[in-house]
Amino acid sequence: DGGITQSPKYLFRKEGQNVTLSCEQNLNHDAMYWYRQDPGQGLRLIYYSQIVNDFQKGDIAEGYSVSREKKESFPLTVTSAQKNPTAFYLCASSRDRNYEQYFGPGTRLTVT
Amino acid sequence: GENVEQHPSTLSVQEGDSAVIKCTYSDSASNYFPWYKQELGKGPQLIIDIRSNVGEKKDQRIAVTLNKTAKHFSLHITETQPEDSAVYFCAARGLKTSYDKVIFGPGTSLSVIP
Repeated sequence: DGGITQSPKYLFRKEGQNVTLSCEQNLNHDAMYWYRQDPGQGLRLIYYSQIVNDFQKGDIAEGYSVSREKKESFPLTVTSAQKNPTAFYLCASSRDRNYEQYFGPGTRLTVT
Repeated sequence: GENVEQHPSTLSVQEGDSAVIKCTYSDSASNYFPWYKQELGKGPQLIIDIRSNVGEKKDQRIAVTLNKTAKHFSLHITETQPEDSAVYFCAARGLKTSYDKVIFGPGTSLSVIP
C-alpha cells in the first residue's frame, strides 16, 4: 500500500529541546517537502528536496533543519531556535517538480 | 511576492445545493492549479487540478474553471453532501529558476448542512 507516513501523530516537547519529525514515502518520488500549517492559515513551505543529498530552504526555514540521505526519508528537526514551534507539520512528496504533491497525515507538535 | 487569494473564508450550504470557491493568483507565469480538501486533523488530499492550457475540468460532482486572462480559478461542487464538509485549499504553481513553487491560498471552510 503506497503512501506517505508521518510519525508520531502528536508530539509534545518542552521549550528548549530539539525534536525530529519523521516522514517516509514508498511512492518512489524524487521530490519531498515540509510545510507548516497554523490555524486559519494556508501552508507555508519550510524546506524542500528535489533529489537525494540535496535540499533547499523554503519561505520559513529559520529554526528548522532537514536531511535527505535516502530517497524514501526526509526528516525535519525543529530546533530550539524556532521561536514559535507549536503547529501542524505536513510532509509531501511528488514524482518531481513538475508533478502534483501528495501529503502525509501530519504531525501536531506542541511545545510548552 | 507571489500571492493566492481565496474567497470566501467560510461557506455554509444546504445539502444538495452547489458550492463555489474562488481564487485569484498574482504570478502570471503560473501554469498549474491544484485543489486540496483537508478534513479535520488530516493531511490535505488532492481532489482535482487544472493546467494552464485547459479552461475547465470536471470529475463527477467537482469541476474547476480557469480564466488565465483574469488570473482567476474556481472550484464548483454540485449536489453537496455532508461528507463534503472540510477545508478546501486552492494553490498555484509558479515558475522559478530552481523550483516551481506552489503557493497555497488561506483556505475555505465548507459546511454542508443536512
